[in-house]
This record gives sequence, structure tokens and C-alpha cells, in this order.
Amino acid sequence: DVKVTQSSRYLVKRTGEKVFLECVQDMDHENMFWYRQDPGLGLRLIYFSYDVKMKEKGDIPEGYSVSREKKERFSLILESASTNQTSMYLCASSLLAGGLDTQYFGPGTRLTVL
Amino acid sequence: RKEVEQDPGPFNVPEGATVAFNCTYSNSASQSFFWYRQDCRKEPKLLMSVYSSGNEDGRFTAQLNRASQYISLLIRDSKLSDSATYLCVVNGLLSGGSYIPTFGRGTSLIVHP
Repeated sequence: DVKVTQSSRYLVKRTGEKVFLECVQDMDHENMFWYRQDPGLGLRLIYFSYDVKMKEKGDIPEGYSVSREKKERFSLILESASTNQTSMYLCASSLLAGGLDTQYFGPGTRLTVL
Repeated sequence: RKEVEQDPGPFNVPEGATVAFNCTYSNSASQSFFWYRQDCRKEPKLLMSVYSSGNEDGRFTAQLNRASQYISLLIRDSKLSDSATYLCVVNGLLSGGSYIPTFGRGTSLIVHP
């Protein structure tokens, strides 16, 4: 079974703090994604990576950056957290690029920025 | 960029009912189509892929209509455990030229006794 793990289930941070959200997958997938999910807005793509060292902006990259130094690990960074970044963050991985096949999601990190 | 649209519902149906959801997409070049299920406070999980010829998995049937650019999900003999949010996913084109999975906002289903 594919396993995608995220470093925290719940996180509370203060405005202006730098926040790191870690995601690790164990299936040797090339492709990894970061989404945020908000009520009424669904899942929105923040960043994705189709190869190690490659990263590309999704629909809502503002205020975020990412790091992919190793194939299995994809990190989301909030450089200076703001209250409007309070959300559920979901990481996913897939075998094929381009949304061509199944995505496997981690359990999510519920981030609250005070 | 509303490339994938779904009726948010909720669809409130009794046990045993048949219920259908539609999802429309705007990119005619889309190649892959999926339905995911998301339970409350859980991550989305693949329910089924949608193939051009249509496909069935037990009580669930998915269909693709390329001409009208929509996919559908039919659930027969609804169970209480089918209560969840159903997410439509279509791969679409970003402005930078990459294809990415694009999620609809989901359709909420509530099955009651």
C-alpha cells in the first residue's frame, strides 16, 4: 500500500512565523503535490513537483514556497504565516505526471495561524 | 479558473435510493477523469477512474460524455455508509503548459434511514 505521511496532524502558529510542513511518500513516486482545502472552495493546488529538484506553481502559490531535495520528500514552506493561511493542507503523490493517474493523499495538517 | 464544476448539494436521499451526480469540465483536451470520496475530516481517496466506455464497480457506475464535457457517477441502492463528499477530478492545463489534476468543489451526499 502507498503510504503518504505528513509531519503534523494539527499545528498552531503565530502570525509572521516561518512554518514548515513536511510530506514523505514511500512508493518511489516521481510526482508530488501540495493542496489546501477550505470550506466551499474545495482543494486548490499550491505547488507541485514532477521530478526531484523541479517545482512548479499551481493555482495559488502566493505566500508559499516548496523544497524537494529528495524524491520521497516534498516540503511546503510558509515564509511568514498569515491568518488567511489557516487551512487544511493536504499532500499527495502519484506515479504518473499530469494528473493522469491516482493520487494518494496524506492525512492532512490542520494549520491555525493566530 | 473554474475548470471543473459540481453541484455542491447536499443530496439528501433515503437508504436504497439511486442517486446521480454530474461534473462538467471546460478543457476539451483533458485526458483523465476520476471520482474521489472524502469522508468528514479525512483525506480524499480514489473511488473510481472514469473510462471512455464507462465503467461499473458494484453499486457504482461512472460515465464520460466527451461531446458534452461531463462525467457522471451513479450510486444504486444507497447505504448509510455512502454518506460523504464526492470529488470530481479532471486533468487540466496550467498556463505554464503543464497538465495538473483539477478538483471540483465536491458534492455532498447524505443517506438517511
